[in-house]
Amino acid sequence: DTEVTQTPKHLVMGMTNKKSLKCEQHMGHRAMYWYKQKAKKPPELMFVYSYEKLSINESVPSRFSPECPNSSLLNLHLHALQPEDSALYLCASSREAASLMETQYFGPGTRLLVL
Amino acid sequence: EDQVTQSPEALRLQEGESSSLNCSYTVSGLRGLFWYRQDPGKGPEFLFTLYSAGEEKEKERLKATLTKKESFLHITAPKPEDSATYLCAVEGDNYGQNFVFGPGTRLSVLP
Repeated sequence: DTEVTQTPKHLVMGMTNKKSLKCEQHMGHRAMYWYKQKAKKPPELMFVYSYEKLSINESVPSRFSPECPNSSLLNLHLHALQPEDSALYLCASSREAASLMETQYFGPGTRLLVL
Repeated sequence: EDQVTQSPEALRLQEGESSSLNCSYTVSGLRGLFWYRQDPGKGPEFLFTLYSAGEEKEKERLKATLTKKESFLHITAPKPEDSATYLCAVEGDNYGQNFVFGPGTRLSVLP
């Protein structure tokens, strides 16, 4: 099973709202990732969690707050977003933490629209 | 700075018309090159991982090859269902910070 699930599939929020994106995998993977993808652009890495600890933060604004409650779950908390934050948010996981040459498996993404 | 470029940006083929997509990279200490397929509005789907120059991998109508500076994704006798954006990504010495995606090639296969 190489499935990564993400909820919700679509999300519309105002600039003053607080919402959360959820990602789940049951493959026993120890690294999980958040990416942001704008239309017709490649995914851009936002955060990397390794053994449930934040190991990479690619200079992401503080209005995005990641959380890894356990090895199977990854959340992205959203607060006071801007319209330019509208994008497809992708979650991925890989087998080994801080891994080298490990394949990342992606979820279907959450399509976010900020009004 | 690590860079990944892909060409062409878009490619339109007739069904059965074979072609190749290119991924050129500049990275310090390549650890792996990854090919993904992405359908509109969906997450990337893993295709191949290549680790060293000379390596080749095949899956159905797709074959990926790797040299020291680039990778090719060869599509033999494509079908309309092969239409998608094909992304390559590289991982260098500095893990995570160097996992960089190329801009992708949008492939359309016409019946």
